[in-house]
Amino acid sequence: ETGVTQTPRHLVMGMTNKKSLKCEQHLGHNAMYWYKQSAKKPLELMFVYSLEERVENNSVPSRFSPECPNSSHLFLHLHTLQPEDSALYLCASSQGQGSYGYTFGSGTRLTVV
Amino acid sequence: SQQGEEDPQALSIQEGENATMNCSYKTSINNLQWYRQNSGRGLVHLILIRSNEREKHSGRLRVTLDTSKKSSSLLITASRAADTASYFCATSQGAQKLVFGQGTRLTINP
Repeated sequence: ETGVTQTPRHLVMGMTNKKSLKCEQHLGHNAMYWYKQSAKKPLELMFVYSLEERVENNSVPSRFSPECPNSSHLFLHLHTLQPEDSALYLCASSQGQGSYGYTFGSGTRLTVV
Repeated sequence: SQQGEEDPQALSIQEGENATMNCSYKTSINNLQWYRQNSGRGLVHLILIRSNEREKHSGRLRVTLDTSKKSSSLLITASRAADTASYFCATSQGAQKLVFGQGTRLTINP
């Protein structure tokens, strides 16, 4: 275990479903991130939270909605997704945004049918 | 925009050989980091090298940084089957987020 836990590990959902991905870290880090990893593409940064405030939203469609209720938890709420949203969704945390290494969770493999 | 670009995209070597991967970037950086990802899993932080450093070692890993050429290399010595993974470089411009490259897929053949 890395100290960053993501649930569920796998998720299959229909295009009309609503689901949430959860990320939890107990490393005392003050920044958390959502990344999307699709086949043969670089990691795409979706959202950045620093001190529980969203500081970046990289033109992500509104069908993805992040939530950071406290410094240890991060959610990604999903609704009316498209098949092209199928990917590995990775959560990471760090102390500061770029001065130290990131700790990643194992990811959620999402399949939209 | 993508900052780091790894080269080669794929590398296949025999167990025991050394593996070298390269990373080039475009703008000035505060630090450069290397990560490993086993298939379908999260990334694991390997090593961070700051812009005022030229070389760092960690076990069988050796990282170099040439800021004049805006490039870095990751050397894995005496490779093992367990080193089979994708390796990513990521750059940081001060207190900014990390930007990852597309990665090098390394295969170690027994």
